[in-house]
This record gives sequence, C-alpha cells and structure tokens, in this order.
Amino acid sequence: QLQLQESGPGLVKPSETLSLTCAVSGGSISSSGSYWAWIRQPPGKGLEYIGNINYSGSTYYNPSLKSRVTMSVDTSKNQLSLKLSSVTAADTALYYCARLYSSSYNWFDPWGQGTLVTVSS
Amino acid sequence: DIQMTQSPSSLSASVGDRVTITCRASQTISSYLNWYQHKPGKAPKLLIYAASNLQSGVPARFSGSGSGTVFTLTISSLQPEDFATYCCQQSYSGPYTFGQGTKLEIK
Repeated sequence: QLQLQESGPGLVKPSETLSLTCAVSGGSISSSGSYWAWIRQPPGKGLEYIGNINYSGSTYYNPSLKSRVTMSVDTSKNQLSLKLSSVTAADTALYYCARLYSSSYNWFDPWGQGTLVTVSS
Repeated sequence: DIQMTQSPSSLSASVGDRVTITCRASQTISSYLNWYQHKPGKAPKLLIYAASNLQSGVPARFSGSGSGTVFTLTISSLQPEDFATYCCQQSYSGPYTFGQGTKLEIK
C-alpha cells in the first residue's frame, strides 16, 4: 500500500527558503507514469495546488507560485522535495504531498498526513 | 483559474440523515471533478473521482453526480465516522483548484 510522509522544519524565518521532503513507501517513485504533487492549506483557508513533478523530473508549477517553487525527485531515496523561496507569513500552511494519479481524468491519491510550516521571525 | 464554490460551507446533521453537498465550477469542467474527505491530523482521502466513480474501499453510501458546472456529493445515511470536512477539486485544467470545503458536524 502506497504511503507518503512529509517532513521538514516547522518554523521558517521570513525571506528564507522553506524545504520539505516527502518519503514514499510501498511503491517506487520512479514507476512509469508516476506523478507527485504538493498541495498546501493555509490556516482557515482552502487547499491550494502548488504543483507536480513526474518520475523523470518534469514539472508543472502553479503560476501564482512559479517564481519561487522548485520541486525535485530523488529516486535513490524514493522521495520528493519541495523548496519555496522568499517566504512570507502568507506561506504559513499545512503542506501535503500526494500522488497525482494521471489517466484520462486526474486525481490525488493517496495523500500524506501533512506537515505544518509556520513562517515567523 | 477555475473557481470552485461549495455549498453549504458548514452543515449540521444527525446519524442516519441523508446529506448533499454541492460544488459549482466557474466554467464547464465536464466530469473532471473529484471529492475528498478530510479529518484533522489525517491524510485527506479520495472518495469520488471523475464526478461519479466511487474509489475502491469507500462505502457505497457515498455517491457523486453532475457534469458541466454543477456537482453533488451525497451521503445516503450518515455514520459517526462521516463527520469531517469534504472538498471538491477540478482536474479539467491547470492549476487544479479546490473548493473551500464543507464542514459536516454532528447535530
């Protein structure tokens, strides 16, 4: 059974870079056709799609965050990473990783439990 | 971006009730609509994909319908474990977007 687990610093200072990893177990991150996504939820707000990356490193970033986002995969560790630069308080959120199941229709399944990141000095 | 609007934003209901949550898209999205259940501290769970397809392992009391711009999630007989937040998500075009969520509470 595929499982995902996010990890990273819970506190990041303004203007610094947020770095998170997502460990994938129960399956290979480099399976053909595999896509992996990052999604976040600010406190009291709805979910926001950050972007996705596939097994070969091809990415799609939400245009609203594109200038600050970098995603990568490490097939040797079976994990994916998210970097968000120049963070502000508006980037405080619960960050999730998920598999983006890609077929004629796309959906996110499964998800990790999420990791809370607070941006504060 | 396609805006997804859910109604109601919160709902109080009792065990055994039939409840319906509505999701509206700002433009047509065909059947590119998914529903998730979200409980605090837990991973969001896929319930319905492509508007009306029940994800494996999800109880049959959950159902989805709709196409175009209006979609519904129905729970036919609420169980105690169903009290959670539900949100819709469109996968018609990037960036994928979510509804703001409907919090289902015990009456």
